[in-house]
Amino acid sequence: AQKITQTQPGMFVQEKEAVTLDCTYDTSDQSYGLFWYKQPSSGEMIFLIYQGSYDEQNATEGRYSLNFQKARKSANLVISASQLGDSAMYFCAMTFTGANNLFFGTGTRLTVIP
Amino acid sequence: NAGVTQTPKFRVLKTGQSMTLLCAQDMNHEYMYWYRQDPGMGLRLIHYSVGEGTTAKGEVPDGYNVSRLKKQNFLLGLESAAPSQTSVYFCASSYPAPLMFFGEGSRLTVL
Repeated sequence: AQKITQTQPGMFVQEKEAVTLDCTYDTSDQSYGLFWYKQPSSGEMIFLIYQGSYDEQNATEGRYSLNFQKARKSANLVISASQLGDSAMYFCAMTFTGANNLFFGTGTRLTVIP
Repeated sequence: NAGVTQTPKFRVLKTGQSMTLLCAQDMNHEYMYWYRQDPGMGLRLIHYSVGEGTTAKGEVPDGYNVSRLKKQNFLLGLESAAPSQTSVYFCASSYPAPLMFFGEGSRLTVL
């Protein structure tokens, strides 16, 4: 069975610093996709970044990058130059071949300190 | 530029009442989903649909029913609401894969 684990319930980071949010996954499938979503206090789910299991390069989207370590089954989100607006809940999720949905982790609440 | 729209955004029910949440998407996506979000548990899939006229159970389907009579709409029904169904409900759609687009959520409280 597929499982996503986020071990950090909460994280704090100083404004303008970088922060890494951890995500590990467990699957026996060779083909899968990994996602990060941001959920601000307003409640909507905002897609941030995607990494396919066969992608050789780590995904990047602006200040977001995904540190994909396939052998360790980890897909950590790195946010560079944190901003106050980055304060939110962050969810790691995955899908795999034949699945019709995303499996979510329990989330990490990030607080950016001025 | 609506994307995925959920109605209502907020609802309070008494135990035993029924209600329907409506999800509408304007992206011509084939797949649609209903998730619930509870504190400390992330999002869990209730039901999903891979096309008009089809539905399937997800991880936590008990107490809910769904219908997909039109491609753009996906309805989630609670026939007899229970306090355990107090949650935030999210609808999502996808092409089918892999990227999902979410609605803004519907907060349901069952007293």
